[in-house]
Amino acid sequence: GNSVTQMEGPVTLSEEAFLTINCTYTATGYPSLFWYVQYPGEGLQLLLKATKADDKGSNKGFEATYRKETTSFHLEKGSVQVSDSAVYFCALRRTNFGNEKLTFGTGTRLTIIP
Amino acid sequence: EPEVTQTPSHQVTQMGQEVILRCVPISNHLYFYWYRQILGQKVEFLVSFYNNEISEKSEIFDDQFSVERPDGSNFTLKIRSTKLEDSAMYFCASVTAYEQYFGPGTRLTVT
Repeated sequence: GNSVTQMEGPVTLSEEAFLTINCTYTATGYPSLFWYVQYPGEGLQLLLKATKADDKGSNKGFEATYRKETTSFHLEKGSVQVSDSAVYFCALRRTNFGNEKLTFGTGTRLTIIP
Repeated sequence: EPEVTQTPSHQVTQMGQEVILRCVPISNHLYFYWYRQILGQKVEFLVSFYNNEISEKSEIFDDQFSVERPDGSNFTLKIRSTKLEDSAMYFCASVTAYEQYFGPGTRLTVT
């Protein structure tokens, strides 16, 4: 079946450091890939997505590239800010249809220190 | 911007009691989901709901669980007789053709 393996946290970085959170997946066919973010006290928010191989999703300075050859979708940001402190979830969906269930990783808690 | 709301934010209950978790999805959305996350584990799909009936459910969603949309706005998840292992964060999602919008979650603690 489909599964997502995500880098274990927690991750603590200083402000302006480079961020990478690793995510690999197992799926048949051509899934869509997502990063969701959960800020304290809030729901899961879509951060970025990619729907086919070699697509790059980007938002708020975060990027992730859909790599089919390595089955990966690593999240990166060049210079993190304190406001990026949150829990980050990698997820996949079997197709591009929104009404299909998401398969999530365990989440990575990121803390940025000023 | 429309958002999904969930109540309560935290529910503490004793083992064997019934609980109802409530969600108000985004109006005019037609698909609704419940997911849960046991502390330190993955977010897991529980059930999807469309046109007033369950469209898919996971192995977790046994006879102790039920969902309904009682009044056209609320979407509820009921656990009939809670167990310790039901302690988790429960997320509701309201779905369009392309994206799932999540609520803030209800933390359920079973003692």
